[in-house]
Amino acid sequence: EVQLVESGGGLVQPGGSLRLSCAASGFTFSSYAMSWVRQTPGKGLEWVSAITGSGNTYYTDSVKGRFTLSRDNSKNTLSLQMTSLRAEDTAVYYCAKEAAAAGTGYFQHWGQGTLVTVSS
Amino acid sequence: DIVMTQSPDSLAVSLGERATINCKSSQSVSHSSNNKNYLAWYQQKPGQPPKLLIYWASTRESGVPDRFSGSGSGTDFTLTISSLQAEDVAVYYCQQHFNTPNTFGQGTKLEIK
Repeated sequence: EVQLVESGGGLVQPGGSLRLSCAASGFTFSSYAMSWVRQTPGKGLEWVSAITGSGNTYYTDSVKGRFTLSRDNSKNTLSLQMTSLRAEDTAVYYCAKEAAAAGTGYFQHWGQGTLVTVSS
Repeated sequence: DIVMTQSPDSLAVSLGERATINCKSSQSVSHSSNNKNYLAWYQQKPGQPPKLLIYWASTRESGVPDRFSGSGSGTDFTLTISSLQAEDVAVYYCQQHFNTPNTFGQGTKLEIK
């Protein structure tokens, strides 16, 4: 059974940093692209970043230069380093598994999410 | 970015009746090279993450009941629930996976009439 467990969310001040992690199990982690998708009541669902099985990364424009996505295939772990956080980054962040190593763009499995709140 | 617009925003349907949700993209999400439509549908229940129902516009994900079906091409797509069950109460989202950034519709809230 595929399991994705996010951690690392919390309250951070504007301009601060946070590192989200996603522990994956139940599948061959290195064979699938992975993404982070965030959700807010106001903006709905928003794709944030993706990484292919081989490590190529992609970001939505609003987080480029501030967020860094990485993966450790030996530890089955996905990490999102978030810096220069803004109020508009406040959201529930979901770790999501795609359907192929190169990425398919749709999300077969999702974690339960971790809440990030950016506020002073 | 491709803008995805769903209609209606909310919908109330009687148990056993058909529910239809529409999704329109601001540009075509069909690839001429493979004739595939890069459109997915998700179901989200309160307190839960989204669940993949349909991808490639009409391919049902494993384990999804066959009362759920997807159709459409180009810029216009439809999710149909043929006979609404109580457990289908949820918010439904479409998403284009044609290019980056992948974008979602605003969601359609489905309730029982």
